[in-house]
Amino acid sequence: EPEVTQTPSHQVTQMGQEVILRCVPISNHLYFYWYRQILGQKVEFLVSFYNNEISEKSEIFDDQFSVERPDGSNFTLKIRSTKLEDSAMYFCASSNLVNTEAFFGQGTRLTVV
Amino acid sequence: KNEVEQSPQNLTAQEGEFITINCSYSVGISALHWLQQHPGGGIVSLFMLSSGKKKHGRLIATINIQEKHSSLHITASHPRDSAVYICAVRDQGGSEKLVFGKGTKLTVNP
Repeated sequence: EPEVTQTPSHQVTQMGQEVILRCVPISNHLYFYWYRQILGQKVEFLVSFYNNEISEKSEIFDDQFSVERPDGSNFTLKIRSTKLEDSAMYFCASSNLVNTEAFFGQGTRLTVV
Repeated sequence: KNEVEQSPQNLTAQEGEFITINCSYSVGISALHWLQQHPGGGIVSLFMLSSGKKKHGRLIATINIQEKHSSLHITASHPRDSAVYICAVRDQGGSEKLVFGKGTKLTVNP
C-alpha cells in the first residue's frame, strides 16, 4: 500500500540552526501539507502546497519557514533559525484532490536545544 | 474559524465493550475526518465523511450535518484499539487545511 515517508524520524538541533525536514508524498498525489503537533497539544496546520506553490498557510508559517518541492518526489520543510518553541512533531500529508482523504507520514520529532 | 470539540478526553474500557467517541464543530464543513494516533506518534486516516455513515470492520463513523456532530463507534473493542482518536474538519469555502480536535485517548484493558 502506498505511504507517505518522512525522514529523519527524530532530529535534535541547536537553537539558531537551520533544519530541513523531508517527505516523500504518495506518487500520484497533487496536494501536499505540513502540520505540527507540540507535545500535549492538538495538531496544527502549517501550510499546503499545490502546483508548485503555496496555496494556503497559517499564521504560524512565518518567514522562518519555507517549503519546496525540489524534484518530482520530495517535499521539504525548512526552518531557517530554529527556536526552542519549534520543538514539535512535524507531519507531512498528501492527498489526491483537495477534498479527499489525506494520508499522513509517521512524523519527524524535532527537538531544539 | 472552526472550533472542534471532542468528548470524552479520556476513555477506559474493558475488552469487548462498545465504544463511542463524539465530535462537534462550530462552522459548516465540507468533510470530517477520523484519524488514529498511536503512541509512537504516527497518524492513520480511518474515515473521511461528509454525510451519513461509513463502516470499516469494527469501526463505524456517523455524521449529522444539521447538528454539526459526528460519532466514532468501535464494536467489540480490543486492547489493540488503544490509541488517540482525533476528529478533524475541513471548512466549507475551499479551505485546504484540516482543523483538529484535541483527541480522545482510548485505553482498552484485557
